[in-house]
Amino acid sequence: NAGVTQTPKFRILKIGQSMTLQCTQDMNHNYMYWYRQDPGMGLKLIYYSVGAGITDKGEVPNGYNVSRSTTEDFPLRLELAAPSQTSVYFCASSYSVTDTQYFGPGTRLTVL
Amino acid sequence: GEDVEQSLFLSVREGDSSVINCTYTDSSSTYLYWYKQEPGAGLQLLTYIFSNMDMKQDQRLTVLLNKKDKHLSLRIADTQTGDSAIYFCADPLNTNAGKSTFGDGTTLTVKP
Repeated sequence: NAGVTQTPKFRILKIGQSMTLQCTQDMNHNYMYWYRQDPGMGLKLIYYSVGAGITDKGEVPNGYNVSRSTTEDFPLRLELAAPSQTSVYFCASSYSVTDTQYFGPGTRLTVL
Repeated sequence: GEDVEQSLFLSVREGDSSVINCTYTDSSSTYLYWYKQEPGAGLQLLTYIFSNMDMKQDQRLTVLLNKKDKHLSLRIADTQTGDSAIYFCADPLNTNAGKSTFGDGTTLTVKP
C-alpha cells in the first residue's frame, strides 16, 4: 500500500491564483481530512469527509473548497490565494472517527 | 490549540528519560493520541490510550492518563538522538464541534 499520497510537494502561488491540492489514499478508509499547519503551531482542520459524496467544514474552512467523488480521492481547492494561506497542508485518512489517522507527507504552499 | 496544551520545548541527554506533558479540556475524548513529526515530514502515530485506561506501555513508550486532572503524559525511556522531533498530543475528530484538536507540539531535543 502507498498509504496517503499528496501532490504537489511544493508550490508557490501569486495572490489571487487558484490551485488544487491532490490527496489519494489506497487503504479504503471512509474518513479523510485536510489540515493546515502554520509554523510552530499544531494542526487546524480545514475540511473533512466521512465518505464519498459527504463533506463537512472544520475549524478553518474559509477560502477553501473540497469534493469527495470517490473513496480514494479528496482534493482541496484554493480559489483566490491569499498570503494568509501560506502554510503546510496535510491530508490524512482513517477507517473510522476513533481510529488513528494516517498522514500524507504534506504540501508546502507559499503565496506571494 | 487552545483545547489541548503542551509545553513547547524539552531538552534531554541521550540515555535519559523524557517526559512530555499535555492537558486537555474536552472530557468526552474516547482515545487520546501521541504523534511524532520529524523535520519536513508528516505526522506518524506513536501510540494512543483509551480513555478508560490509566497507563499504557509500548516498548520504550509509557503513556499515563489522569482523567481527573485531564492530564496526559508520554514518557520515552532511554531517549536516543533519533527521538529528536516534535511530539503532538491529539484528540481525534469531534464531529459535533467540527474539529480535530492537536496541541501545538513539544520540540524534543536529545543531546549526545
